[in-house]
Amino acid sequence: EVHLVESGGGLVQPGGSLRLSCAASGFMFSNYWMHWVRQAPGKGLVWVSRVDLEGSTAYADSVKGRFTISRDNAKNTIYLQMNSLRDEDTAVYYCARIVAVGTPLGYWGQGTLVTVSS
Amino acid sequence: EIVLTQSPGTLSLSPGERATLSCRASQSVSSNSLAWYQHKPGQAPRLLIYGASSRATGIPDRFSGSGSGTDFTLTISRLEPADFAVYHCHQYGSSPWTFGQGTKVEIK
Repeated sequence: EVHLVESGGGLVQPGGSLRLSCAASGFMFSNYWMHWVRQAPGKGLVWVSRVDLEGSTAYADSVKGRFTISRDNAKNTIYLQMNSLRDEDTAVYYCARIVAVGTPLGYWGQGTLVTVSS
Repeated sequence: EIVLTQSPGTLSLSPGERATLSCRASQSVSSNSLAWYQHKPGQAPRLLIYGASSRATGIPDRFSGSGSGTDFTLTISRLEPADFAVYHCHQYGSSPWTFGQGTKVEIK
């Protein structure tokens, strides 16, 4: 069974940094692109970033230059390093995986809450 | 990027009633790469529909998706108590992937 467990959320001041982790199990981790999606309070879901099999990355414009996604296949884990955090980055952050090539995100973690506030 | 607009924002219905949710895209969705998710507070989003009309594994047949191009619909034929939640549409055919703002289906 696929399991994705996020950690690392918390309260951080504007301008601060935080690193999120997502531990994966139940599937061949190295065979899948992995994604981060967030949901701000009262808002819809927003795609944030993804990392492919070779470690190539892509980002939403709103986080480009501030966030860095990475993966460690030996630990079956992806990370999201978040720098220069802003109030508007406050959200629940989910890691997610597609079901198969050409399908949408079908496996999601429970999410971890990041609160940016002074 | 493709903007997805969901309507209505909130749908107030009773168990047993039919729910019809709309998702309109600002431009045509490539290969009908449109999905629907059910999302409850504190839980992970649950994939219901992909490819505009294909049910994901384990999803009951009271959930159905239709549409193409820029107009898509999720229909829940007879609402059960567990179906009251927020529903998101999502396009995964063009980068960046985008989501609608959600429709809340609440008990009337």
